Amino acid sequence: SQQGEEDPQALSIQEGENATMNCSYKTSINNLQWYRQNSGRGLVHLILIRSNEREKHSGRLRVTLDTSKKSSSLLITASRAADTASYFCATDTGTASKLTFGTGTRLQVTL
Amino acid sequence: SQTIHQWPATLVQPVGSPLSLECTVEGTSNPNLYWYRQAAGRGLQLLFYSVGIGQISSEVPQNLSASRPQDRQFILSSKKLLLSDSGFYLCAWTWDLGEQFFGPGTRLTVL
Repeated sequence: SQQGEEDPQALSIQEGENATMNCSYKTSINNLQWYRQNSGRGLVHLILIRSNEREKHSGRLRVTLDTSKKSSSLLITASRAADTASYFCATDTGTASKLTFGTGTRLQVTL
Repeated sequence: SQTIHQWPATLVQPVGSPLSLECTVEGTSNPNLYWYRQAAGRGLQLLFYSVGIGQISSEVPQNLSASRPQDRQFILSSKKLLLSDSGFYLCAWTWDLGEQFFGPGTRLTVL
């Protein structure tokens, strides 16, 4: 079953703008991860935030986690056309590092 | 460095035929291994995971089975494919940090 639900399902922005994607989940987690998938390809890990962390940065990525609201957001700053992809959140409840993926946000960055 | 391989990349099979998808990991030992399926335009669904040789856990009832005959080899099989088995199959591994590393995937079409 899908634990995470991403919002919005699709997002279209122009190059240079910021993109924000949100993820909500249902149960307690060990960590939450964000992945990127280019069309028809495997997933690439972007960032992992642990349940005791509130914010994390990696390059142009900023992830926040609010465990009281069971939600997370991914911000991509100064977007580029190469950022066009689907983005998924995934929650790890700690058992064998199994991940439960959300439904994904399709991001389109136009020139 | 670690790499993960999946083959074949694409596969078209008739209903009722057998299936064998292979995943191998290089550059690490005793990884956790995972099989996911992704339906078109959807998130990933965890099918099987393995924490060691011969140890397989199934997440959803289905027409598929998995085996781990060697430490870094994970095989997804079916005796008789169904139309509903079509999808994009992804293998992944993790060690102890939580983030998962995905293979390039196999696109299976059952006709």
